[in-house]
Amino acid sequence: DAGVTQSPTHLIKTRGQQVTLRCSPKSGHDTVSWYQQALGQGPQFIFQYYEEEERQRGNFPDRFSGHQFPNYSSELNVNALLLGDSALYLCASSLRYPYNEQFFGPGTRLTVL
Amino acid sequence: SQKIEQNSEALNIQEGKTATLTCNYTNYSPAYLQWYRQDPGRGPVFLLLIRENEKEKRKERLKVTFDTTLKQSLFHITASQPADSATYLCALALDSSYKLIFGSGTRLLVRP
Repeated sequence: DAGVTQSPTHLIKTRGQQVTLRCSPKSGHDTVSWYQQALGQGPQFIFQYYEEEERQRGNFPDRFSGHQFPNYSSELNVNALLLGDSALYLCASSLRYPYNEQFFGPGTRLTVL
Repeated sequence: SQKIEQNSEALNIQEGKTATLTCNYTNYSPAYLQWYRQDPGRGPVFLLLIRENEKEKRKERLKVTFDTTLKQSLFHITASQPADSATYLCALALDSSYKLIFGSGTRLLVRP
């Protein structure tokens, strides 16, 4: 079992550009959550997908959007990048029921210049 | 306001001692509380989960307590080893939706 995988590992973009990050959940998991982690801070919840729909959303602008595919993999899209979007983006997967732990991927380090 | 507080100062202890990390929260009523370990540049790794109706959970050298009256969780690592050096994150879940609210973490340094 490969666990949660994310791609790419690192990414450098310039302000105003758009970026797509990808996540494959742990085998058997059906729920994917995305988090943003700034340096020295804890992860902040962006949104969560289950059954290909956004189920919950944190305090992030509409520039952040996502998608979940029938195989449960997910994408995070960020439009009109700002310098402040530079962070480690983490994907976490879980099994919807019963409630249990989330497994995190290694993250994608996004740098916006 | 709602807050989750973990000691921002690093905890520096001698190998073999017990490390105790604290997580305090304000104006939350969590259904679950979780502890994660994070190494630099890597994703968090799940350690322990405790439910609101549980007082204590153990796993090998790890123990977590949960006091909903004090609004506090304590995380203990007994017989600590240099390999335990990492940042430890506390996270609350208000329900079973898997939306986690994280503290900013406490860095643990275990000296040989």
